[in-house]
Amino acid sequence: DGGITQSPKYLFRKEGQNVTLSCEQNLNHDAMYWYRQDPGQGLRLIYYSQIVNDFQKGDIAEGYSVSREKKESFPLTVTSAQKNPTAFYLCASSISPGTYGYTFGSGTRLTVV
Amino acid sequence: SQQGEEDPQALSIQEGENATMNCSYKTSINNLQWYRQNSGRGLVHLILIRSNEREKHSGRLRVTLDTSKKSSSLLITASRAADTASYFCATLRASGTYKYIFGTGTRLKVLA
Repeated sequence: DGGITQSPKYLFRKEGQNVTLSCEQNLNHDAMYWYRQDPGQGLRLIYYSQIVNDFQKGDIAEGYSVSREKKESFPLTVTSAQKNPTAFYLCASSISPGTYGYTFGSGTRLTVV
Repeated sequence: SQQGEEDPQALSIQEGENATMNCSYKTSINNLQWYRQNSGRGLVHLILIRSNEREKHSGRLRVTLDTSKKSSSLLITASRAADTASYFCATLRASGTYKYIFGTGTRLKVLA
C-alpha cells in the first residue's frame, strides 16, 4: 500500500542533542512538508520541498534543518538551537498541492528530557 | 502565521445530530480544504473546495465557501461517535506559493 511512514513514533531528546525525524513516502509525490503541532493548536509549517534537492523555509524554520536528496525521503533534523522542541511533528506530501490535498504521516512525538 | 480560524473551538453534540463548524480566513485563496485528526494521529483529508466553487458534498459532509465573506463551513450530517475528532481548515493562498496554512481547529465530541 502507498503512504507516508514517519519514524520513530516517539522520540526523546536530551538538552543539547540533535535528533533526526524520518519521513518516507512511496506515493511518487513531488512535494513534501514538515509541520509542527503544539497541544490544542493548529499546524505550523517548518520546511517544504517542491522537488528533489530544493527546499524552502516555512514560518518557523529556526532551529530546524532538512534535506531532500531523494524524492521519497524528507528527513527533519531538530538541532540544539531549537529551544522548545517538545511537540508533535507531522510530515505530509502531495502530488499537486494546488489540486489535491495532503497525505499525512502518523506523526512523531518529540519530548525533551 | 495562522490564516484560518475555526469556530467554535469545541463542540459537543448527541449522536444523530448535525455538526456545523466554520472557518474564516484573511487573504484571497486558491482553494480551501478540510481535514480530520483523531487524537494523537495524523490528519486525514476530507474535502477540497476551489475558490470558484460554492458548495461540495462528500457522503455525510457538506462544505460551503463564501469568498466575499472569506469563510467556509463544514456540515456533518447524522453524526456518529466515530466522528469525534478535531477538524481543521487549510487554505492555499492565491499568491502562488504551494503551502497550505492551517487553522487552529474545532474539537468535535459526539456523544453516544
